[in-house]
Amino acid sequence: GEDVEQSLFLSVREGDSSVINCTYTDSSSTYLYWYKQEPGAGLQLLTYIFSNMDMKQDQRLTVLLNKKDKHLSLRIADTQTGDSAIYFCAESRHDYKLSFGAGTTVTVRA
Amino acid sequence: DTGVSQDPRHKITKRGQNVTFRCDPISEHNRLYWYRQTLGQGPEFLTYFQNEAQLEKSRLLSDRFSAERPKGSFSTLEIQRTEQGDSAMYLCASSLGGGGNTIYFGEGSWLTVV
Repeated sequence: GEDVEQSLFLSVREGDSSVINCTYTDSSSTYLYWYKQEPGAGLQLLTYIFSNMDMKQDQRLTVLLNKKDKHLSLRIADTQTGDSAIYFCAESRHDYKLSFGAGTTVTVRA
Repeated sequence: DTGVSQDPRHKITKRGQNVTFRCDPISEHNRLYWYRQTLGQGPEFLTYFQNEAQLEKSRLLSDRFSAERPKGSFSTLEIQRTEQGDSAMYLCASSLGGGGNTIYFGEGSWLTVV
């Protein structure tokens, strides 16, 4: 996933907002995704955004897309301990293949 | 539960042995994908099927790897003559078509080669 980059770690206090950032390289990506992975588990789809949108909100989650800068972010409002996990950004370049970043480990502290 | 199901969840095998993983996609999903994930990395695409046809294979999929989806439903991923470098989590996913159709992942099958 060298074409999708994320910061590796984020520590946030319970109740605060978390912001996870991602940059990608392929301007032809049509969809961008956020997945969540808990220890030893598979990937849970959190949300996705189509490339012609610049924002999408879904309950506590807000996705912002800056297509010009190829920058994607995920904001989690009112972060809870259950939000502690690894978060992956992924771009869909082709109709069938997702390219993932290395993941951001989010730790929620009391 | 009607999500993507994978079996076994964990497999420990000796180097040189063959292993096979099975994936049952979400019912009626015509696309099925295999990814591999190593520690500290994001998943990497291996291959995908549209119904029973295998349409794309990554260069990561060496000759020792073979995937099948004979009836367009479940799929198997076989690794022959396993090597320690094959130790990883093998993730299966499925979707209803491509484009913006969301891709749902299973819980993964952990492989440890000793």
